[in-house]
Amino acid sequence: GENVEQHPSTLSVQEGDSAVIKCTYSDSASNYFPWYKQELGKRPQLIIDIRSNVGEKKDQRIAVTLNKTAKHFSLHITETQPEDSAVYFCAASKGNAGNMLTFGGGTRLMVKP
Amino acid sequence: GAVVSQHPSRVICKSGTSVKIECRSLDFQATTMFWYRQFPKKSLMLMATSNEGSKATYEQGVEKDKFLINHASLTLSTLTVTSAHPEDSSFYICSARSGGKGETQYFGPGTRLLVL
Repeated sequence: GENVEQHPSTLSVQEGDSAVIKCTYSDSASNYFPWYKQELGKRPQLIIDIRSNVGEKKDQRIAVTLNKTAKHFSLHITETQPEDSAVYFCAASKGNAGNMLTFGGGTRLMVKP
Repeated sequence: GAVVSQHPSRVICKSGTSVKIECRSLDFQATTMFWYRQFPKKSLMLMATSNEGSKATYEQGVEKDKFLINHASLTLSTLTVTSAHPEDSSFYICSARSGGKGETQYFGPGTRLLVL
């Protein structure tokens, strides 16, 4: 089955700096890669996703890059703000109806004011 | 759009009792729902995939007789923790995805279960 590794497990940055979280996956058939943000005690919220037919996607301060050959994808947050502090999860799936997401272990991001 | 609700948000019960958790898709039909368990400071662990009108598919190590799943309609899936024990205490989260080619999963707010 699919295995998703996520690094780092914790990340502390100064407000205004950039943050990068990296994930690798094992199943070359995976073609859908979402990123979720989870605040303490709350539900995971989808923040951005990318499909295997594109290499990069951007939404304001958030971007995701995908390298299918190397089987890794990354989340980039620029101009970080304290409200970006949360746990971020990457995930991978084959994207077909009914196929499940395999989650990475999560990254706790702390943005210091 | 794509709102998923979950009820109750938290429940405290005595050991040996059963607890039912509901997951509803409010503005879309969900042919597939997923049930996760999350321990403190840990990732989401998939317990089972719930398909409308058919039996749930359980992940390895998850007891199907312990965690009963019913997906009776396109907007409702239920998870029943039977004969709950303290080790079942956890944060249970459901997610739902729409039919067709929709891949995105939308999560419910979670249910915090404490078994005394």
